[in-house]
Amino acid sequence: NAGVIQTPRHKVTGKGQEATLWCEPISGHSAVFWYRQTIVQGLEFLTYFRNQAPIDDSGMPKERFSAQMPNQSHSTLKIQSTQPQDSAVYLCASSLDLGSAETLYFGSGTRLTVL
Amino acid sequence: QQNVQQSPESLIVPEGARTSLNCTFSDSASQYFWWYRQHSGKAPKALMSIFSNGEKEEGRFTIHLNKASLHFSLHIRDSQPSDSALYLCAVSINYAQGLTFGLGTRVSVFP
Repeated sequence: NAGVIQTPRHKVTGKGQEATLWCEPISGHSAVFWYRQTIVQGLEFLTYFRNQAPIDDSGMPKERFSAQMPNQSHSTLKIQSTQPQDSAVYLCASSLDLGSAETLYFGSGTRLTVL
Repeated sequence: QQNVQQSPESLIVPEGARTSLNCTFSDSASQYFWWYRQHSGKAPKALMSIFSNGEKEEGRFTIHLNKASLHFSLHIRDSQPSDSALYLCAVSINYAQGLTFGLGTRVSVFP
């Protein structure tokens, strides 16, 4: 089991460009979460899916961020018109079932740098 | 909006000492409590969880939860250099929500 796989590991974009981040959850896990980590804000919840359906996107900045899970083997987080304040490590996690009683398994993250 | 605070921000302890980390939360309806550990440059990894008041021990690690005080803690016995990491506490109100994390306590254990 390779764990949660996130690609790319690093991404550099210019201000105003689009960034797409990919996540492959652990096979058999039905819940997928996206978090963002910075020194100042720590680990911030963005959104999550259960059985590919979006359940809670309360942490997502509404205007430029979107997430999809087109099939059970991958999820994407898209940031349009990236801004310097979007620079962070974006972490994807999966769990066996829905919610907080199950262990979250995190990927190694994608470090996004917006110049 | 859940507010999760951790203290201290950082801690330096000698090898073999006991390390104590604290976490407070704001929503009394919280039900699920976790500690995650993140080594430098690595993914956060679940360490322990507790879902009811009291104490839970796993090896050198012990969690205490006091819901009435909105507080839980992690204690590490016989701290090792390999325990040097960022420790993150996390809380959730119910089974259907994502975890809310604290900013973390950075622990350094020196030999």
